[in-house]
Amino acid sequence: QKEVEQDPGPLSVPEGAIVSLNCTYSNSAFQYFMWYRQYSRKGPELLMYTYSSGNKEDGRFTAQVDKSSKYISLFIRDSQPSDSATYLCAMTAENTNAGKSTFGDGTTLTVKP
Amino acid sequence: GAGVSQSPRYKVAKRGQDVALRCDPISGHVSLFWYQQALGQGPEFLTYFQNEAQLDKSGLPSDRFFAERPEGSVSTLKIQRTQQEDSAVYLCASSLYESSYNSPLHFGNGTRLTVT
Repeated sequence: QKEVEQDPGPLSVPEGAIVSLNCTYSNSAFQYFMWYRQYSRKGPELLMYTYSSGNKEDGRFTAQVDKSSKYISLFIRDSQPSDSATYLCAMTAENTNAGKSTFGDGTTLTVKP
Repeated sequence: GAGVSQSPRYKVAKRGQDVALRCDPISGHVSLFWYQQALGQGPEFLTYFQNEAQLDKSGLPSDRFFAERPEGSVSTLKIQRTQQEDSAVYLCASSLYESSYNSPLHFGNGTRLTVT
């Protein structure tokens, strides 16, 4: 079983919908949690990172971490067709190089106009 | 300014051939990472450089994989005697500082390797 499991999708929503993307993990050492967006045939682009439990908001995006449940989420409000991409969660343990992350397999999102 | 540049974008190799994949990080970036992304999966860590020093190569899948960054800028990932299971997208990423969560990773668009 993988250390990081991500809802497989694909996910298709109408424009303007609220999107919820989720990951669970098994390694309690993970302390840093990141969300990346990856467009087709492009490299991942960091959207947000959070440390430990709690919420973090940036524009239409909210990242939520629940360490007690080993569960993280990314919410996208007022979704746009330009949000159509694959979303990857990633996690890193304390005292581990910040760039050495364990990624989920991604959820592909399509936002229909 | 330019982002992380990888070349070639696509590479087709016959099984048993050697390949070399190039990464030009953002100028001045200290840290450089290589990741492997198989179809439909997330990236998996291969190796990490801080300047010219290879500090972590724990993710390299076999001794057929070799990476170098001799002058602390451009890096090359070499795969010897390629196998079909090596088919994947190879992503390079760089960051300004070493090991800092305030120094995000900048990924290139990858090299898609297909071994036939």
